[in-house]
Amino acid sequence: SQKIEQNSEALNIQEGKTATLTCNYTNYSPAYLQWYRQDPGRGPVFLLLIRENEKEKRKERLKVTFDTTLKQSLFHITASQPADSATYLCALHSGNTPLVFGKGTRLSVIA
Amino acid sequence: GAVVSQHPSRVICKSGTSVKIECRSLDFQATTMFWYRQFPKKSLMLMATSNEGSKATYEQGVEKDKFLINHASLTLSTLTVTSAHPEDSSFYICSARRGRSSYEQYFGPGTRLTVT
Repeated sequence: SQKIEQNSEALNIQEGKTATLTCNYTNYSPAYLQWYRQDPGRGPVFLLLIRENEKEKRKERLKVTFDTTLKQSLFHITASQPADSATYLCALHSGNTPLVFGKGTRLSVIA
Repeated sequence: GAVVSQHPSRVICKSGTSVKIECRSLDFQATTMFWYRQFPKKSLMLMATSNEGSKATYEQGVEKDKFLINHASLTLSTLTVTSAHPEDSSFYICSARRGRSSYEQYFGPGTRLTVT
């Protein structure tokens, strides 16, 4: 069955540093990979979508890579700020199939 | 923007009663809406996919007679938890897609259901 692993349940990082979160998957060949941010007691917020034929995508301080050979996506937040503290979820799908979510990584940016 | 609202944000009900949760897309038409359930420190679990004007597609293990979904218009989907039990207590979140060719999902703020 499909398996998505976000390797770190929690990640602590110093303000100003780059946070790197990992998403690995098995038994799946997704055409799309998405990253969401979720704050406690709130619904997820869409951040970025990357397609299987795209190696990298950027949006402001965010950068996502998608390596279909390694079956891995890396999510980077540069110049991290305490306001970036949240849980970050990766999700996979192919076309109109439903999103399959990982468990998330809880990021804490320490001032 | 793409705003999705949910109502109520919190609800407490007694065992055996039914609870209705509304999900609205406020500034766009959502051809497809999704209902998720999330347990503490766990990922989102898809319960069902709801297309406007047709019956919802439920995921394996989700009882369609217990979790009634209605997608009556392009901006409104409802989830009714019937004959609620304490084990139904959870965080329920809906999401919507703008159109069939758009893959980003816009999530509501969630509804915390507590069944006593």
